[in-house]
Formats: sequence, C-alpha cells, structure tokens
Amino acid sequence: GESVGLHLPTLSVQEGDNSIINCAYSNSASDYFIWYKQESGKGPQFIIDIRSNMDKRQGQRVTVLLNKTVKHLSLQIAATQPGDSAVYFCAGPFSGGYNKLIFGAGTRLAVHP
Amino acid sequence: NAGVTQTPKFQVLKTGQSMTLQCAQDMNHNSMYWYRQDPGMGLRLIYYSASEGTTDKGEVPNGYNVSRLNKREFSLRLESAAPSQTSVYFCASIWTGSNEQYFGPGTRLTVT
Repeated sequence: GESVGLHLPTLSVQEGDNSIINCAYSNSASDYFIWYKQESGKGPQFIIDIRSNMDKRQGQRVTVLLNKTVKHLSLQIAATQPGDSAVYFCAGPFSGGYNKLIFGAGTRLAVHP
Repeated sequence: NAGVTQTPKFQVLKTGQSMTLQCAQDMNHNSMYWYRQDPGMGLRLIYYSASEGTTDKGEVPNGYNVSRLNKREFSLRLESAAPSQTSVYFCASIWTGSNEQYFGPGTRLTVT
C-alpha cells in the first residue's frame, strides 16, 4: 500500500546548527508533499509544501528538497532555535484526491542550548 | 477567527459506551477530516467530508460514524467504544484549492 515514512525517530541538534529531517515515500503519483510541525499537546501546524514538479522550495528558515528518482524528501531548518523543538511529519496525498493525507510516523527534533 | 475547535478536550469512556466528538471551523472551508493519532505514530485518516452533504471513509473507518451537519460542523461518533479506540483525535479543514489543512487542538480519548 501507499506509505510515507521517516528515517529517524529522534534528532538532537545544538541551537544555531542546521537540522535535516528526512522522509521516504512510495506513491510516485503524489502531486505534492507537506511538512507539518506538532508541538506537545497541540495539533499539527503546516510548515511548507512542495509540488511534485519542483525540486526545491524555500520558506522562512526552512527548505524542502524533493528527489523523485529515489522517492525522498527532506526538510532543512537553518539556525535551529529552541522553539523548533517539536515532532515533524511529512505527509503526502492518497490517490483519489480530496487532500486525503498519509502521514509518516514523525521525527522528534530536540534542540539543546 | 477561532479556526478549528474541538470538544471535549479530554474524555474517559468505559468499553461499550458511546459518544460524539464535535468539530467546528469558522474559515468557510469546504472539506473537513477526522484523524486519529496513536502514541509514537503519525495521523491516520478516519473519515473525511469533501463538501457539505458528503462523507467518505478514510484509512481506518471501522467503529466510527460521521455527520457533516452543515458547512461548519463535522462530528465523529463512536457507537460502542473499545480500548483500541484510545487515541488522540484531530479534526482538520481545508480551503478548496489549497494544500494547507488546519488542525484543531485534539480530543484525548481513553477507553477503559
């Protein structure tokens, strides 16, 4: 079946370093992918999306890279801050439309001072 | 705007009891979704409503029913709760043409 998954359950970084969170997917027909951030006790919050016809997209301190050849995407966070500590999910749409999303299991990012 | 609101925030049920989780959005979104999130896992889609008056099954619909009461409200009902339904439930909504789903704060449900 379709799947979206992340490579590492936990990532620890020092404040000020760059963070890279990775994700693999199986559905080559996905039109787009999304990264969500979930802080403890809260609902997921949209960070950035990337359409399948793009290789790279940049936002504020974040960059998404998409490699369709190996079905891999990554989220890069520049100058990681304590407020970036959260669980990060990649998600992609089910086939069949209507924005039905499959989520990966998540990577917990821990930022140390 | 309040965004997406969910009630209750917490609930404890005994096996076999029923309850309805409420969700409302004030962003005039067409589509709404119910997900569950189990410890250490990503979200899984239970049901969704592409537009007012329509509902359809997601990845894990067994044991649940939904009602799209109007454009604003989308409820999730557990007819006979089971311990396997212990989870955090999130409602989300989206504007047609966007990829950005807005999530509510969640309902933490425990079934004993």
